[in-house]
Amino acid sequence: NAGVTQTPKFRVLKTGQSMTLLCAQDMNHEYMYWYRQDPGMGLRLIHYSVGEGTTAKGEVPDGYNVSRLKKQNFLLGLESAAPSQTSVYFCASSSAGSSYNSPLHFGNGTRLTVT
Amino acid sequence: GENVEQHPSTLSVQEGDSAVIKCTYSDSASNYFPWYKQELGKRPQLIIDIRSNVGEKKDQRIAVTLNKTAKHFSLHITETQPEDSAVYFCASFSGTYKYIFGTGTRLKVLA
Repeated sequence: NAGVTQTPKFRVLKTGQSMTLLCAQDMNHEYMYWYRQDPGMGLRLIHYSVGEGTTAKGEVPDGYNVSRLKKQNFLLGLESAAPSQTSVYFCASSSAGSSYNSPLHFGNGTRLTVT
Repeated sequence: GENVEQHPSTLSVQEGDSAVIKCTYSDSASNYFPWYKQELGKRPQLIIDIRSNVGEKKDQRIAVTLNKTAKHFSLHITETQPEDSAVYFCASFSGTYKYIFGTGTRLKVLA
């Protein structure tokens, strides 16, 4: 049981390049999330998914796209990278509750630098 | 929009003293409040959580209190140790499936 696995761990891009970050979870969780973490700004939600085939925008969705074709995978894409997207990206997942939700389980993060 | 305010942003305490971190949330529909600890270069990890039908929860040296009327919740760490040094994040969750995080508190425990 690996939990939440993110690939790659590090990446350097030039402005205008594209890339895809992969998140995989083996806990059969319904909900999956992508956050970015910048110094002094905490964790900000980019996009999230409440089930296979569904996605929704979070607080800072501009410049990113996502897909959830399989329940266990949640992909984050950058079509044209900008220096403002330099950040640490965390994927997280949780199981669907009835009245209450369950804790988030985080991946180890991807450190992205855009030059 | 929904937000969570967290204070203080930095906190230094002497080893053995207590530390308190406070959060205020805006969405009255929030019903679940987790706290995460993040050590340098690592992922956030859940340390304690509380649901809206409970006013207080304790786990060894860590406790969380919730005041739904005031929309406040707080993390209390007693008998602090150097290994408690980290960044702590509070969060709120509501029926809109979103966790909203505070901006974090950097706790330093001085030996």
